[in-house]
Amino acid sequence: DIQMTQSPSSLSASVGDRVTITCRASQSIGSYLNWSQQKPGRAPKLLIYAASTLQSGVPSRFSGSGSGTDFTLTINGLQPEDFATYYCQQSYSTPITFGQGTRLDIK
Amino acid sequence: QVQLVQSGAEVKKPGASVKVSCRTSGYTFTGYYIHWVRQAPGQGLEWLGWINPNTGGTNYAQKFQGRVAMTRDTSISTVYMDLSSLRFDDTAVYYCARDLLLYSYTSGTSYWGQGTLVTVSS
Repeated sequence: DIQMTQSPSSLSASVGDRVTITCRASQSIGSYLNWSQQKPGRAPKLLIYAASTLQSGVPSRFSGSGSGTDFTLTINGLQPEDFATYYCQQSYSTPITFGQGTRLDIK
Repeated sequence: QVQLVQSGAEVKKPGASVKVSCRTSGYTFTGYYIHWVRQAPGQGLEWLGWINPNTGGTNYAQKFQGRVAMTRDTSISTVYMDLSSLRFDDTAVYYCARDLLLYSYTSGTSYWGQGTLVTVSS
């Protein structure tokens, strides 16, 4: 199975900050990397697919980059609604696997 | 609009089985793979497998092989996830999620159901 490791596991930031979350795969996954956001009691929401493609309706302050084994999610200008948990997910091979999550809190 | 609506919460005893349904609408049912993902309380996301609603073909995570079965009923645009031999650590919210792109199972889980809490308790 492909292991996905996110860092940091948690992060405190302020409204307006720029935040970067990283995700590393245990083997190359090309660009088969997706990012989702989850708020408490809610289903995850897809933000970015294929490493860098913004899902329809997602604000442009979210961006993704990377390929192979190293990926990043960047949020430029944090908004109050962005405080949530973020997961990376590889869809290169089954079993599909997720990172452990990064919890983003208000500082 | 695309919607996935799941069945309600379940409480089961260890060793029992549970069947969760996921009724879809707003798109061509047979064109998009459906994944099942679970989340134990306070934990991360775990993929159980996918079903191709067109063919009924499935791909299960090895961890759940022999205990999980995913089926579909094309006449009502609904998929089902059956998990047997339930254990205490199967307690989780179970989600169905549609893949993003047509005929793809690799493009990302885009539209999600609301989740079904399955509690395994004696």
